[in-house]
Amino acid sequence: KAGVTQTPRYLIKTRGQQVTLSCSPISGHRSVSWYQQTPGQGLQFLFEYFSETQRNKGNFPGRFSGRQFSNSRSEMNVSTLELGDSALYLCASSPAGTGSGGYTFGSGTRLTVV
Amino acid sequence: EDQVTQSPEALRLQEGESSSLNCSYTVSGLRGLFWYRQDPGKGPEFLFTLYSAGEEKEKERLKATLTKKESFLHITAPKPEDSATYLCAVQAKNGGATNKLIFGTGTLLAVQP
Repeated sequence: KAGVTQTPRYLIKTRGQQVTLSCSPISGHRSVSWYQQTPGQGLQFLFEYFSETQRNKGNFPGRFSGRQFSNSRSEMNVSTLELGDSALYLCASSPAGTGSGGYTFGSGTRLTVV
Repeated sequence: EDQVTQSPEALRLQEGESSSLNCSYTVSGLRGLFWYRQDPGKGPEFLFTLYSAGEEKEKERLKATLTKKESFLHITAPKPEDSATYLCAVQAKNGGATNKLIFGTGTLLAVQP
């Protein structure tokens, strides 16, 4: 059974550029959540998509956006990159609506902004 | 505001030396408390979900317990391969229909042979 796949694994971008990260959930999982992980702040919730609809959003600026496709794959986009956006971006998938527990994480995309 | 605090930030143990990690939480209605293990360069790996005070779950050398204010992850006779960062997260009921998790900053565990 394939796990959660995130691409690319590593990215280096320049300040001011934009970037798109991809997440393919476990087959049959309909919920995809995104998190930003930094050494100082730990994992912080970005947003969650369920059946192509954004269900919840964390306290991040509008430069961070996402979407989910009909096959449950999700993308997140960061525009006008800043140095502080350097982080490990993780996505997690879940099979059910809410409270299912045991969310499965991908290995993440390491974004470095220079 | 919902929040999770983990202690200690770092813990160094000798192989076979048992200890406990703490996770204190403040949440307006707990839907579930989660423990994850994270190895360097990898995503968090699910360990346990606890739903109500008094609940306990075990897996190999790990045992997780839950009270109304905190959770403990007990590690019995740890081995070097248990070295990792252990993360605690909560899911709040007041979040409505969402799978949002609120994470603590983790405990970095190092087990020396």
